[in-house]
Amino acid sequence: KQEVTQIPAALSVPEGENLVLNCSFTDSAIYNLQWFRQDPGKGLTSLLLIQSSQREQTSGRLNASLDKSSGRSTLYIAASQPGDSATYLCAVLNDYKLSFGAGTTVTVRA
Amino acid sequence: DTAVSQTPKYLVTQMGNDKSIKCEQNLGHDTMYWYKQDSKKFLKIMFSYNNKELIINETVPNRFSPKSPDKAHLNLHINSLELGDSAVYFCASRPLSGNTIYFGEGSWLTVV
Repeated sequence: KQEVTQIPAALSVPEGENLVLNCSFTDSAIYNLQWFRQDPGKGLTSLLLIQSSQREQTSGRLNASLDKSSGRSTLYIAASQPGDSATYLCAVLNDYKLSFGAGTTVTVRA
Repeated sequence: DTAVSQTPKYLVTQMGNDKSIKCEQNLGHDTMYWYKQDSKKFLKIMFSYNNKELIINETVPNRFSPKSPDKAHLNLHINSLELGDSAVYFCASRPLSGNTIYFGEGSWLTVV
């Protein structure tokens, strides 16, 4: 059974600092890994999707890496802004289903 | 056009009632899912249907019954609602040959 762990559970940083969010998974036989953002009381916004054959994906200030063999992914957010405050969820796809971590709640202080 | 749409978005109901949440996708996908997000924000899969056939049932109480009248729809019916059923329920879909899952905007269920 796939288990996804996200560390830290919460993170508070001053504006402008870079963010590093970690995700680990137990079963490396994945199709892809996806990072989502969730704002309070809102749905899921897909940020980045990394296919199992890829090592990283970039979108603007966001960069996600994937090391499938070690079961790890890291989401980097450069030059954080207060608008980046949200919960970030990591999810891996295998056995026809997406398994989620519990999320990292980020607060960026102005 | 919303790709995966759920109704209602908000639902407040009393314990013991029966309620349904509807989901429709206009993406032509073959596989649909229901996920539950509890108060601790943890998302867990409940069910998955592939072309109207149940393929995943993750130890969900019998009070929850998914129904897929066609491959574009996957409805969730909940009998005898309990306080612990209060959560956000997300519907999602995926093409058979693809591996990107698309989520609806969620349905907030509150049982009082």
